[in-house]
Amino acid sequence: QVQLQESGPGLVKPSQTLSLTCTVSGGSISSGGYYWSWIRQPPGKGLEWIGYMYSSGRSYYNPSLKSRITISLDTSKNQFSLKLTSVTAADTAMYYCARNSGYFGDHMDVWGQGTTVTVSS
Amino acid sequence: QSALTQPPAASGSPGQSVTISCTGTSSDVGGYNYVSWYQQHPGKAPKLMIYEVTKRPSGVPDRFSGSKSGNTASLTVSGLQAEDEADYYCYSYAGSNNLVFGGGTKLTVL
Repeated sequence: QVQLQESGPGLVKPSQTLSLTCTVSGGSISSGGYYWSWIRQPPGKGLEWIGYMYSSGRSYYNPSLKSRITISLDTSKNQFSLKLTSVTAADTAMYYCARNSGYFGDHMDVWGQGTTVTVSS
Repeated sequence: QSALTQPPAASGSPGQSVTISCTGTSSDVGGYNYVSWYQQHPGKAPKLMIYEVTKRPSGVPDRFSGSKSGNTASLTVSGLQAEDEADYYCYSYAGSNNLVFGGGTKLTVL
């Protein structure tokens, strides 16, 4: 079955760019019908949807984060990535990647285990 | 977009039923039948429990059920078991490929 695994630096300095990668196994990221999402969860807090990209390459972002986010696909490596610019301590969180299914990608049926990112100098 | 409103906490005794609400607006919960629910145990990734308001993925016990009335969706857990103790989040489509989570509810099995 499809499995997702996040990777990236666990520590990022304030004002720098956070970069994470999600590697997909057991299925092709370019197969139609799925969106590929990033979600985050600050320590002790709830989940926040960051954005997703359809297999065709069209991306959609949370309006509150839109100016700082880029989500991209690398079909040759079967990976998708998140870049979040100008990070602050408020961006410290567990970051999850997930596969969204449904007509609008309205539910996440496969999740990665998550990776912790701390923003600190 | 604002987060959907969930009660911070809910509880019930083993064998009882508990219902968790998720209130949004006509632009999200009320406007579409695209509400899903996730269970998250401490230190674990969330798990899909309900999608499209009422549908259960394969492997999810039928003790979990979903419903919606107007701008409020609900998750009901019947026959509570100790392993149901977790955080639960609702998630709704909000139009124009936007999606929004609820704030989460901590379910305690007494």
